[in-house]
Amino acid sequence: TQLLEQSPQFLSIQEGENLTVYCNSSSVFSSLQWYRQEPGEGPVLLVTVVTGGEVKKLKRLTFQFGDARKDSSLHITAAQPGDTGLYLCAGAGGSGGSNYKLTFGKGTLLTVNP
Amino acid sequence: GAVVSQHPSWVICKSGTSVKIECRSLDFQATTMFWYRQFPKQSLMLMATSNEGSKATYEQGVEKDKFLINHASLTLSTLTVTSAHPEDSSFYICSAIRTSASYEQYFGPGTRLTVT
Repeated sequence: TQLLEQSPQFLSIQEGENLTVYCNSSSVFSSLQWYRQEPGEGPVLLVTVVTGGEVKKLKRLTFQFGDARKDSSLHITAAQPGDTGLYLCAGAGGSGGSNYKLTFGKGTLLTVNP
Repeated sequence: GAVVSQHPSWVICKSGTSVKIECRSLDFQATTMFWYRQFPKQSLMLMATSNEGSKATYEQGVEKDKFLINHASLTLSTLTVTSAHPEDSSFYICSAIRTSASYEQYFGPGTRLTVT
């Protein structure tokens, strides 16, 4: 069974603070995707990382894929209330699985207070 | 872009009835679609993989006779919850990929099902 351990599960911070969300696994993934989901809506793709050691930036969000392609992190700088939501990491192609079937982490529910 | 729609966005039905949820890829052809279930403040749980023109592949523990999936065209997959019960109440989300080699899934907005 492929597992993605995501932490923390809940995070409540003040506007302007920085935060990091972690996604770890014992499996090697072909790629890892990060999604953000708001209540009552479907997840929206933020980024896909494919290469070990890869770093991608999306405005105040920085995504990193571990060298061994088993873990990833999402760092948000100077969080804003608009960043509030459920952040999900999902790995594709782990443990010989198909490249298009995703294994989701349990999610991190982020609340940024004004 | 890659837009996926779902219909209805919410539905309330009585226990024992069946409900059909549609998932459409609006601006691309989807060879594969996925159906997920999500409980409040929890992650997505994959129910089944739907391939156009073939039978769906269900995840372990998902009753295929209860959750009927049909992928009749490259832009439409349907999920029918048969003989619904209150415990089937949940948020159902579909996703679609353009080709079997794509890593990226595009998600629909979800359907809130409430069974009374």
